[in-house]
Amino acid sequence: EDKVVQSPLSLVVHEGDTVTLNCSYEVTNFRSLLWYKQEKKAPTFLFMLTSSGIEKKSGRLSSILDKKELFSILNITATQTGDSAIYLCAPRGSNYKLTFGKGTLLTVNP
Amino acid sequence: DGGITQSPKYLFRKEGQNVTLSCEQNLNHDAMYWYRQDPGQGLRLIYYSQIVNDFQKGDIAEGYSVSREKKESFPLTVTSAQKNPTAFYLCASRTTGQGGNNSPLHFGNGTRLTVT
Repeated sequence: EDKVVQSPLSLVVHEGDTVTLNCSYEVTNFRSLLWYKQEKKAPTFLFMLTSSGIEKKSGRLSSILDKKELFSILNITATQTGDSAIYLCAPRGSNYKLTFGKGTLLTVNP
Repeated sequence: DGGITQSPKYLFRKEGQNVTLSCEQNLNHDAMYWYRQDPGQGLRLIYYSQIVNDFQKGDIAEGYSVSREKKESFPLTVTSAQKNPTAFYLCASRTTGQGGNNSPLHFGNGTRLTVT
């Protein structure tokens, strides 16, 4: 059975802090790993990672994948209150089967 | 604007009644998905469809049914056989054309179903 473990499950920080969110996985026929941000309703796509060691960046967010150790991290620098959300990690196996983790609830206080 | 529309946003039903959740997309995506989200849980796959008139069970299909008569539409019926139907339901779609293997899922805004 495919497994995804995200940590921490929740995190409270102050604006300006840097956070690192973790995702470890065991997925049969791994193809890629996706990160999503969910505020109140629809999860919105952040990154798709397919290769180890290649960092993807979008503004203050960045992510990297380690296919040998089976984990990924999502970094957010200089956090803002608008970063408050649930961050979901979803590795993909064959036949586009995504397995979602439980998510990390990030709260950024002013 | 292109996107995925789920309706209604909130739905209340009595136990024992079937209820159908709507999902429409105008993104011209071939594949569509239904997920369920419970507090403290990840998204769990209920059903998915890669092409019109074809669909497959996901991890938690029991008590649910779907149809895919049109490319744009993928309604989900929560039947009375579903033991714990109260949840947040998310519909998603993605392209499967060229480069489709690396296309992300796009989600609707969800329907929150409460059954009492």
